[in-house]
Amino acid sequence: IAGITQAPTSQILAAGRRMTLRCTQDMRHNAMYWYRQDLGLGLRLIHYSNTAGTTGKGEVPDGYSVSRANTDDFPLTLASAVPSQTSVYFCARFWRQETQYFGPGTRLLVL
Amino acid sequence: SQQGEEDPQALSIQEGENATMNCSYKTSINNLQWYRQNSGRGLVHLILIRSNEREKHSGRLRVTLDTSKKSSSLLITASRAADTASYFCATDAYYKLSFGAGTTVTVRA
Repeated sequence: IAGITQAPTSQILAAGRRMTLRCTQDMRHNAMYWYRQDLGLGLRLIHYSNTAGTTGKGEVPDGYSVSRANTDDFPLTLASAVPSQTSVYFCARFWRQETQYFGPGTRLLVL
Repeated sequence: SQQGEEDPQALSIQEGENATMNCSYKTSINNLQWYRQNSGRGLVHLILIRSNEREKHSGRLRVTLDTSKKSSSLLITASRAADTASYFCATDAYYKLSFGAGTTVTVRA
């Protein structure tokens, strides 16, 4: 199965700094998603994009922004990081039927 | 807020035994999906059951869905050490998934 790449794998970031998490797919699927995973809370949807040029808010969008300039790339930006954004971030794309295929994740620590 | 809740939070079983975990959800769904996550890696899709289905099988996996009770169960038969992972249910409403907090399964050799 062709995949999703996420970068960086992990990052330590000072509070107040700007950070962009990168996500790239190689299957040219329309729908892409960003989740955060915190211990004991499962995954929560941050933002999604159904097609290039459109984005939507998920369950926890505050403090995050996304863009979808083309089909393959879906970056997530933290404009001014705060410690509560310490988490593991997963990018996903639509896979088959209504399921999703996940990237390997980015581990972010905000100090 | 999260749609699904898994029960139990953690489960420890002997290799060869069956593992059962449950998922309850709150609102109407199009389908319910189960995913596995190994050691903090990305989630991997296991099985999908639609709202008009009651039971589905895939290899050693058996999923049931009771829409009247808003609940689902995942049964892993003849467990193996490689089944050690966290398992998440996810409910689908209009192509957006809502995940529960997961059940951590440990299979002892």
